[in-house]
Amino acid sequence: SQKIEQNSEALNIQEGKTATLTCNYTNYSPAYLQWYRQDPGRGPVFLLLIRENEKEKRKERLKVTFDTTLKQSLFHITASQPADSATYLCALEANSGYSTLTFGKGTMLLVSP
Amino acid sequence: NAGVTQTPKFRILKIGQSMTLQCTQDMNHNYMYWYRQDPGMGLKLIYYSVGAGITDKGEVPNGYNVSRSTTEDFPLRLELAAPSQTSVYFCASSSSSSYNEQFFGPGTRLTVL
Repeated sequence: SQKIEQNSEALNIQEGKTATLTCNYTNYSPAYLQWYRQDPGRGPVFLLLIRENEKEKRKERLKVTFDTTLKQSLFHITASQPADSATYLCALEANSGYSTLTFGKGTMLLVSP
Repeated sequence: NAGVTQTPKFRILKIGQSMTLQCTQDMNHNYMYWYRQDPGMGLKLIYYSVGAGITDKGEVPNGYNVSRSTTEDFPLRLELAAPSQTSVYFCASSSSSSYNEQFFGPGTRLTVL
């Protein structure tokens, strides 16, 4: 079955630095991958989608890469701010179809001033 | 435009009791989903629906039932609550395209004692 791995340890960085989060997957070749942000006590919020034929996608300070050979996506936040502190979830198109997603466990990002 | 709304926000149930978690969306989305999220774990898909009258099981459907009589509403029913169903439940919706983002509700925190 498909498996998604995100670093379970929290990532601590200083304000202004670039945060890089990793999402690895196995046993599947998804047509697309999405990243979500989740704040404590709230539902996830969509950030970016990248398709299998796209190497990189950008949105303001966010950048996502998708390497289908390595089966890996990297999520970057440049010039990070304390307000970026949250848990970031990687989600892949599930092989069951019908627009369902399989989510990773998420990585917590803590940006200190 | 309220997006996806869920009620109640919190609920404590005794073992064996039943309840319905309500979910409503006002974006005219065909696809709706129910997830559960346990501490430190990713979102697990319980049930989903691709349109009124059509539902299907996700990864963890046991102990739950759903119905979809209208486009807007997608209630989740717990018939005989068990401690293993203690979790945070999220409802989400998306438009029909496979590539579209999912919009999440604020969640319902359920405790079964």
